[in-house]
Amino acid sequence: DAGVIQSPRHEVTEMGQEVTLRCKPISGHDYLFWYRQTMMRGLELLIYFNNNVPIDDSGMPEDRFSAKMPNASFSTLKIQPSEPRDSAVYFCASNSPDRMYNEQFFGPGTRLTVL
Amino acid sequence: AQSVSQHNHHVILSEAASLELGCNYSYGGTVNLFWYVQYPGQHLQLLLKYFSGDPLVKGIKGFEAEFIKSKFSFNLRKPSVQWSDTAEYFCAVSGGYQKVTFGTGTKLQVIP
Repeated sequence: DAGVIQSPRHEVTEMGQEVTLRCKPISGHDYLFWYRQTMMRGLELLIYFNNNVPIDDSGMPEDRFSAKMPNASFSTLKIQPSEPRDSAVYFCASNSPDRMYNEQFFGPGTRLTVL
Repeated sequence: AQSVSQHNHHVILSEAASLELGCNYSYGGTVNLFWYVQYPGQHLQLLLKYFSGDPLVKGIKGFEAEFIKSKFSFNLRKPSVQWSDTAEYFCAVSGGYQKVTFGTGTKLQVIP
């Protein structure tokens, strides 16, 4: 298995632009998580899905952030409009079915820089 | 609600020194515990996990952790660290069917 796949790996954009991050979970995993990691705040859970349905989005910082999971093999995290304080590494992780508390497998992350 | 506390934010050791990273959790019921490692520029990878059974768990690369229920602790240990162990280490917990909660991480720097 290729593992969790994220794209792009690096994104540099200007303030005010829309940013879309993409994630493909491991096949057969039906939990998907979006995290943000910064030096100041560490690793933060933004939102997670079960069977493509958002379960908990309490970690989403603002209305500028939105996430979707249109099918079992694809999810997006969108920031519109982006701001410099959104600069971070964004990780996607997935988890095996019926074992939400089992280990999560992380993708390589997307390093976002907003100028 | 569950929570995780990692005592040390930054640890510096010389090669061959012994390592112990503290982790305490808060949850009233049965828990599942994890240690993840993040090497510089890479993503988080599982080091070891505890679900049940022997409270002394052995993971990859010579790491081990001991679950002490009475102390709500799950400390990570390694008898002799190497330069290649330089990384950030995250303790995590999940209770029941709750999501996994990660600690704030401990940065380990091993000096050759």
